[in-house]
Amino acid sequence: GAVVSQHPSRVICKSGTSVKIECRSLDFQATTMFWYRQFPKQSLMLMATSNEGSKATYEQGVEKDKFLINHASLTLSTLTVTSAHPEDSSFYICSAGDRRSGANVLTFGAGSRLTVL
Amino acid sequence: AQSVAQPEDQVNVAEGNPLTVKCTYSVSGNPYLFWYVQYPNRGLQFLLKYITGDNLVKGSYGFEAEFNKSQTSFHLKKPSALVSDSALYFCAVRDRSAGNMLTFGGGTRLMVKP
Repeated sequence: GAVVSQHPSRVICKSGTSVKIECRSLDFQATTMFWYRQFPKQSLMLMATSNEGSKATYEQGVEKDKFLINHASLTLSTLTVTSAHPEDSSFYICSAGDRRSGANVLTFGAGSRLTVL
Repeated sequence: AQSVAQPEDQVNVAEGNPLTVKCTYSVSGNPYLFWYVQYPNRGLQFLLKYITGDNLVKGSYGFEAEFNKSQTSFHLKKPSALVSDSALYFCAVRDRSAGNMLTFGGGTRLMVKP
């Protein structure tokens, strides 16, 4: 079945630094990937839609200069948290849809837990 | 706009008993409906989906869900709960005209006690 790989699974960084999270579709091509953020004991919040070869579409309230998204190929999207602050600490999850599965069932990565000190 | 409501933050059930996790939705058109499960510190795993056809959908790990259009509900069920079913469950909806964007419910924590 479709597999989405996310790396790193855990990252700790100092305040003010930037962190890059990668999301790869391993055995299928994904023209669209989605980035979600999950706060403790809360649901997933869609941050942005990553489109291969074009700019990402950000949801209202999400700072695009803070959360840089690049979708350079059909199998890779990256999320860079720039100038990270402790309030950026969260669980970030990406997902991608495999058209072969019909109705575009989304496959999710395992998530990346970011801790900003 | 589309939305999903999971009215229960937590559901407690004894092992071997049937379980139900509730979900209601709102979309402007016809919905695609999904259930996902999340284990601690993990991503989401797909359980089942309703696209069209039979209102009773069977999915992974013995779970099933029933699409009820008149009540705009898609409750998740399992006849006999296992302790290993304890996890966080998310219902999601996609309006067929809204591309791949999923809207998630707030999640329901299922606790199955031995």
